[in-house]
Amino acid sequence: AQTVTQSQPEMSVQEAETVTLSCTYDTSESDYYLFWYKQPPSRQMILVIRQEAYKQQNATENRFSVNFQKAAKSFSLKISDSQLGDAAMYFCALIRGAGGTSYGKLTFGQGTILTVHP
Amino acid sequence: DTGVSQDPRHKITKRGQNVTFRCDPISEHNRLYWYRQTLGQGPEFLTYFQNEAQLEKSRLLSDRFSAERPKGSFSTLEIQRTEQGDSAMYLCASSRSRGGVAEAFFGQGTRLTVV
Repeated sequence: AQTVTQSQPEMSVQEAETVTLSCTYDTSESDYYLFWYKQPPSRQMILVIRQEAYKQQNATENRFSVNFQKAAKSFSLKISDSQLGDAAMYFCALIRGAGGTSYGKLTFGQGTILTVHP
Repeated sequence: DTGVSQDPRHKITKRGQNVTFRCDPISEHNRLYWYRQTLGQGPEFLTYFQNEAQLEKSRLLSDRFSAERPKGSFSTLEIQRTEQGDSAMYLCASSRSRGGVAEAFFGQGTRLTVV
């Protein structure tokens, strides 16, 4: 079984500042993908960033970057230069697989509500 | 292709009635997921299909819930004899199992209210 845990129910940040959202996971697999999804209020879930477990280099997408610590089973999301539009619920998720192939179900954490103050 | 489409967007039903939701995935995606999400919580896995085969169903899912994906295209999720506890957002997502990056694309969801 695989589990994903987000221990921060809520976080807040000032506009233009940096915030880090935490995620830990547990899986017996060595190959898997990790994702951060964003769900704005009353809007659909969209992908923010992905990481393949076999890649040591941390993924980066513009203002979003991750700190992937495979041994510690930790996958945190850093949002730099926060914007009002970043306010949303953020979910960490995991699925088994590698090299463009995935297996089984996509498992989500409980989510972290991010508030951005102007 | 405009993405994952779910219908209806909202459904209000009386307790005890049956409801059916539809999901149309992205056309080249062979994998389709159903999740349930209550306010302020993460998506709870219900079931998933690869092509037309239902590969896994949550043990938390009662016998009142059934899903189908005939011909590996659209999928339906039926809830029989609805209860107030079934009130939630029902999310559908689709992905490729091969040749992609395993990312799941989500629909806008169907919000069910049981009164």
